Amino acid sequence: DTGVSQNPRHKITKRGQNVTFRCDPISEHNRLYWYRQTLGQGPEFLTYFQNEAQLEKSRLLSDRFSAERPKGSFSTLEIQRTEQGDSAMYLCASSLPSTWREETQYFGPGTRLLVL
Amino acid sequence: DQQVKQNSPSLSVQEGRISILNCDYTNSMFDYFLWYKKYPAEGPTFLISISSIKDKNEDGRFTVFLNKSAKHLSLHIVPSQPGDSAVYFCAAAKDSGGGADGLTFGKGTHLIIQP
Repeated sequence: DTGVSQNPRHKITKRGQNVTFRCDPISEHNRLYWYRQTLGQGPEFLTYFQNEAQLEKSRLLSDRFSAERPKGSFSTLEIQRTEQGDSAMYLCASSLPSTWREETQYFGPGTRLLVL
Repeated sequence: DQQVKQNSPSLSVQEGRISILNCDYTNSMFDYFLWYKKYPAEGPTFLISISSIKDKNEDGRFTVFLNKSAKHLSLHIVPSQPGDSAVYFCAAAKDSGGGADGLTFGKGTHLIIQP
């Protein structure tokens, strides 16, 4: 399977604990995105990498959130001191823009986080 | 503020008929639009896209129409099949295709295809 993969698929944690999610993009894709989706909403942009550089962060990404893409391949998203409001589906997407106007992002299956 | 709006939370269509899903946007900076399909417990799957220089794009049973003056786009599925039952998200991107801000999504429309 050459699509975007995410691990773990599900995570249950207690409030105050730290969690880390991993995303492996499609191999030749140089852009990688993280989104969060809550019930009844569409995905919301969190942050974006071009190769290993983190170029943009949403205001949704509080100080407790940190993302890395150390070698420009896989990425990790860490949430420190989790809160119940962090419960959501965390989605990763990757892309390889072919033109300056058109870019299609391909999504992974997501990691569903439940904070008790 | 919701910059991408899908005003129909759900839509029921008979198998074989046309499904029309609508999307409105408010930000005139959006210039690339995508439709994604999502099954429960899975990530969104890309369906079809359109750039603002076009008003129609077709791919098999799926056609997307863009009306820039009305800031409106629609996805047509003909003929509708049972496997099309899913949540459909409209998404929009600015400038170089979302590199700066990511995609902006609507809340989705749950399409139900009835046999």
